[in-house]
This record gives sequence, C-alpha cells and structure tokens, in this order.
Amino acid sequence: AQSVAQPEDQVNVAEGNPLTVKCTYSVSGNPYLFWYVQYPNRGLQFLLKYITGDNLVKGSYGFEAEFNKSQTSFHLKKPSALVSDSALYFCAVRDHLSGNTPLVFGKGTRLSVIA
Amino acid sequence: DAGVIQSPRHEVTEMGQEVTLRCKPISGHDYLFWYRQTMMRGLELLIYFNNNVPIDDSGMPEDRFSAKMPNASFSTLKIQPSEPRDSAVYFCASSLATDTYNEQFFGPGTRLTVL
Repeated sequence: AQSVAQPEDQVNVAEGNPLTVKCTYSVSGNPYLFWYVQYPNRGLQFLLKYITGDNLVKGSYGFEAEFNKSQTSFHLKKPSALVSDSALYFCAVRDHLSGNTPLVFGKGTRLSVIA
Repeated sequence: DAGVIQSPRHEVTEMGQEVTLRCKPISGHDYLFWYRQTMMRGLELLIYFNNNVPIDDSGMPEDRFSAKMPNASFSTLKIQPSEPRDSAVYFCASSLATDTYNEQFFGPGTRLTVL
C-alpha cells in the first residue's frame, strides 16, 4: 500500500529564514513524489516532482525538495521564505508499480511566514 | 488551455436540497478525479474515472452521493439530499494516462455550504 505522512500540521517561519516542510512516504516499489501548494480559496497547484535522477529537485517559486531513499523522505525546502509563501502544502506519492492510479496525498502542512 | 473548470464556485443551499457540482477536465485528459476537502478530514478522494468509466468509488461517503461522466469533457457530482455535514470544498482534477507519472491538475474548487 502507498502512504504519505506530513508530521507537522503547521510550520511557522520568519521572513528571510530558510523553511522546511517535512514529508515521508511508504511504497512497495520506486516512488514518484510530488509537492502541491494551495493558496487561500484556490485549487492545488503543482510545485515540483521527483521521478528519477538527481535527488535534489528544483521547482516553482524558488522551492526545492530532496529525495532521500534511505530515510524515505521528500522534504520541501526554500533558502529564504517570503510572506507570499504562506499557504497549505501537500506532499503526494505514487508507486511506479501501481499503474495509472491516483496520487496519494498527505493531510497537508500549513506554512505561515511572518514578516 | 483554460485548465480544469468547475462550476459553480460557491453554492449555498438548505438541508434536504439536491446539489449538482460540475467539472470540465483539461481537453485530452482521460482521467478525472473528484475530491472533498474539509478542515477535519483534509483532502479525500471520492471517485475517479478513466475514459468516462468509474474506476473506484470507494471514497464516496454515502448513497446520497453520485457521480457521472457522460462524455470526455463533462462530469457531475450530485448530492441528494444534502446535509450540513456535506459542507466542504469539492475539487475536480484531471490527468493524462500517457503521462507515466500521472501528474494531476486541479480545478479551483466549489465551496459548498449546506444550511
């Protein structure tokens, strides 16, 4: 079975500081991993994905994520947070063995960047 | 492309009334997903279709909920009769089967309030 965990409901960070939003996953085969962002009153927007290759993936708005197979993690990071980064962030996973099945989403982490 | 289109964006109704939510997927996409988002339960997959055929409706909460996809460009999610606990944001998403990674594209959502 596939699953993803986001251990923090809320992350608070000061503007200009680095931010990390944590995600761990569980799959039988190799994972396809995604981060989505949801701004208030909007749908989910794709940020970045890891399929294969370089463990450090760069995405939109200066975000990046690091795939760590030994720790089964895919944490989202940004070197310098902006107030406009405040949003709800979702990690999602799909096992490459699972065929065309829906992504499995975490419960989301609310990021609050304080000026 | 206009992206995934959902209507209405907001719906307020009274308990017992029928509610119909509508979705137009991205042209050419052959997977369509319906999700429900609440503060308590996060993002829940209700049902998904492939080539207009329902594949998995195990997430549909009750018989009061039904979904159809009469053609490749239109889907509905109906609640009859509606109850206050159905109040949530309902998202539609679509993806392309030939996209091995199954990246999903989300609509803006319909905010449903049942009084």
